[in-house]
Amino acid sequence: EAQVTQNPRYLITVTGKKLTVTCSQNMNHEYMSWYRQDPGLGLRQIYYSMNVEVTDKGDVPEGYKVSRKEKRNFPLILESPSPNQTSLYFCASSLFSSAYNEQFFGPGTRLTVL
Amino acid sequence: GENVEQHPSTLSVQEGDSAVIKCTYSDSASNYFPWYKQELGKGPQLIIDIRSNVGEKKDQRIAVTLNKTAKHFSLHITETQPEDSAVYFCAVPLLYNNNDMRFGAGTRLTVKP
Repeated sequence: EAQVTQNPRYLITVTGKKLTVTCSQNMNHEYMSWYRQDPGLGLRQIYYSMNVEVTDKGDVPEGYKVSRKEKRNFPLILESPSPNQTSLYFCASSLFSSAYNEQFFGPGTRLTVL
Repeated sequence: GENVEQHPSTLSVQEGDSAVIKCTYSDSASNYFPWYKQELGKGPQLIIDIRSNVGEKKDQRIAVTLNKTAKHFSLHITETQPEDSAVYFCAVPLLYNNNDMRFGAGTRLTVKP
């Protein structure tokens, strides 16, 4: 089944404790990205990757890191999480650029930073 | 930069009625307009999209209409069913960065049986 998977689905952590949210897609997509979803703000892009070893900032990159060492994986790293990073996070992939292609979203990771 | 406004933020209809959600955008060069549906506990999923060379596109009970002059596009759902209850997002590509979409804030649709 073609899908985007994320882990964990739920995470409660404390300020400053490094964490990683994994993302994997099995559709051989070139493009992957991370979004955060907050009430009243819709989906805002954090980082995106056009291909292996190519990443760039989206709208709200502060406090986040990403890497793209393999085509299928695109982990999101929070080196020192803070309470304002409490949010619902989605990984997405598309064949090429997201602007003109259907994006396939993962099921989401709900993160709470205390 | 691109500004996308989506209305209403919540919408409640009776089963069988129609629902309309509208999005306005600011960049007149935008030419791809998708709508995503997010069911509870899931990620958004594309349900319909339209490109600027057409004014309307239909797929069974859903349709999208585009008015490029007025810079708005709308999602129409006819004969609504309880399974249409979800959050709907419009999106517009950012032309200065064609690797990103600007999403609307979302509309929570509730279809009452």
